[in-house]
Amino acid sequence: AQSVAQPEDQVNVAEGNPLTVKCTYSVSGNPYLFWYVQYPNRGLQFLLKYITGDNLVKGSYGFEAEFNKSQTSFHLKKPSALVSDSALYFCAVRDSQTGANNLFFGTGTRLTVIP
Amino acid sequence: EADIYQTPRYLVIGTGKKITLECSQTMGHDKMYWYQQDPGMELHLIHYSYGVNSTEKGDLSSESTVSRIRTEHFPLTLESARPSHTSQYLCASSEQGASSYEQYFGPGTRLTVT
Repeated sequence: AQSVAQPEDQVNVAEGNPLTVKCTYSVSGNPYLFWYVQYPNRGLQFLLKYITGDNLVKGSYGFEAEFNKSQTSFHLKKPSALVSDSALYFCAVRDSQTGANNLFFGTGTRLTVIP
Repeated sequence: EADIYQTPRYLVIGTGKKITLECSQTMGHDKMYWYQQDPGMELHLIHYSYGVNSTEKGDLSSESTVSRIRTEHFPLTLESARPSHTSQYLCASSEQGASSYEQYFGPGTRLTVT
């Protein structure tokens, strides 16, 4: 079965400190991995994706993610957190088994950046 | 500007009423989706469509129905709303047959059934 896991419901980090939001995946075949962010009362916004190529993927708003095949992880990172980064973050993986190519989303991690 | 729209943004309605949540996109995407999300919780796919006249059920069983008569329009209907339908409904779209598969989301409709 294909899935993603976000082991932390909540991550707190001080403004200016580096942040990491964790995601691990389980897929058959090559993984297509995504990060989305959701601000209060809004839809999801696409941040970045890994399809192939460099393991370090750069995305919107200064975020990046590191694909690690041996650890089956795709952690989201940012060198210096801003208070405005506080939001709900979702990791997702493409469904490559059914042919529908839908996305499976994780349960989300709430990031709070403390001023 | 290409975008995806949902109306209404907020809806409070009584039990037993019929409601339709609207979703339209101007990105020319063939594939569209509906997700149900309780506040601050995970997303559950309830319907998707590959294109005109195509509708499929998602991973989460839902009493709602959808239609796809036009490429840009993917409305969701509840024939008889119940309090258990109270949730946020998110519409999304993506290119069909693309290699990237990322989905683009509308702002959502927050539905409250009293």
